[in-house]
Amino acid sequence: NAGVMQNPRHLVRRRGQEARLRCSPMKGHSHVYWYRQLPEEGLKFMVYLQKENIIDESGMPKERFSAEFPKEGPSILRIQQVVRGDSAAYFCASSPGGTFYGYTFGSGTRLTVV
Amino acid sequence: GENVEQHPSTLSVQEGDSAVIKCTYSDSASNYFPWYKQELGKGPQLIIDIRSNVGEKKDQRIAVTLNKTAKHFSLHITETQPEDSAVYFCAASKANYGQNFVFGPGTRLSVLP
Repeated sequence: NAGVMQNPRHLVRRRGQEARLRCSPMKGHSHVYWYRQLPEEGLKFMVYLQKENIIDESGMPKERFSAEFPKEGPSILRIQQVVRGDSAAYFCASSPGGTFYGYTFGSGTRLTVV
Repeated sequence: GENVEQHPSTLSVQEGDSAVIKCTYSDSASNYFPWYKQELGKGPQLIIDIRSNVGEKKDQRIAVTLNKTAKHFSLHITETQPEDSAVYFCAASKANYGQNFVFGPGTRLSVLP
């Protein structure tokens, strides 16, 4: 039973390029969350999605960032025109929904903008 | 919105000693409190959680206590081992159908052999 799969593990982008981060939730999990972790800091909520729906994007910057969770395929976090400040670890988590469930996190994608 | 504070930021203990990490939260409506362990280069891993209708929960060497009135909860690790060395995060949420966790800033625990 594979866990939450994120790819790529490491991603290097030049300023101004686009970054695409992928997340496949655990089997049976229909809820996906994206968090960002800056070096030596905690996890900050970005967006919560269910299949084909964005439930809560209150933590996501209004510009350059977007997320989707299509009917088929992984969830995608897209960052357009990356800047140095976007360098961070981006973690995806999934849950089966319902109440009182902790997340299962993936291993993260470490984005470096040069 | 919810705000979670966590102390201490770093903690060093001798192998075999106990470690205690404390968190406070601001939103009295929060009712679910998980703890995560993050090892270097890995994603956070859920180690224990507690609901607001429970005061204490234990799982082998790990226990969590919750004081709803004071709005604080603590992680207790007994008989610490070197493999317990990691960053620990507390979190709080209002459990509903799908939930967003607010995480504390983390505690770096070092267990010295």
